[in-house]
Amino acid sequence: DAKTTQPPSMDCAEGRAANLPCNHSTISGNEYVYWYRQIHSQGPQYIIHGLKNNETNEMASLIITEDRKSSTLILPHATLRDTAVYYCIESNFGNEKLTFGTGTRLTIIP
Amino acid sequence: SAVISQKPSRDICQRGTSLTIQCQVDSQVTMMFWYRQQPGQSLTLIATANQGSEATYESGFVIDKFPISRPNLTFSTLTVSNMSPEDSSIYLCSVSTVGYGYTFGSGTRLTVV
Repeated sequence: DAKTTQPPSMDCAEGRAANLPCNHSTISGNEYVYWYRQIHSQGPQYIIHGLKNNETNEMASLIITEDRKSSTLILPHATLRDTAVYYCIESNFGNEKLTFGTGTRLTIIP
Repeated sequence: SAVISQKPSRDICQRGTSLTIQCQVDSQVTMMFWYRQQPGQSLTLIATANQGSEATYESGFVIDKFPISRPNLTFSTLTVSNMSPEDSSIYLCSVSTVGYGYTFGSGTRLTVV
């Protein structure tokens, strides 16, 4: 079973920041938090990952709480193309399988 | 990140037949993963494919139904055998890439009639 919990759905207005929460209260010290998204009928797309520090790349920012039990993915200026299912996953990087939960279906509203 | 080519992109098959899905990666990778995504559901791992050894299957998946080959470090196949309508799903392969996490193919959409 997936070890993370996410809200099943969220809406966000186009142009606003989308903040997607994730709880991972059982995360172990060497597990990373990964975020992926899946746009309708496509393969999952990597967004960002982090261990304990906040991370930022060209797609998003990842804020991890100090106790590492939760995190928030931030899409700073959401567009209609950001409508997708977003998955938060715990994993040791490398040759370990990913266990997908049900994710959050994010809908960007014009 | 690695680039994955997955074939076929979609197929419609008769029940009782088999379909082999190919996954080609543009770089050598140690492990490849095969997932299934049933309609409206999340992804479920079928098996992990190592080069030179038998695949490791997850609970609920067996080799007779989903045989996997991994002849080299850039290629793998998944066969869906003796298909039934319940096998209608999207099948995806995935590899791990340093610095980018895990990369997924675009998937094979299988419909069994």
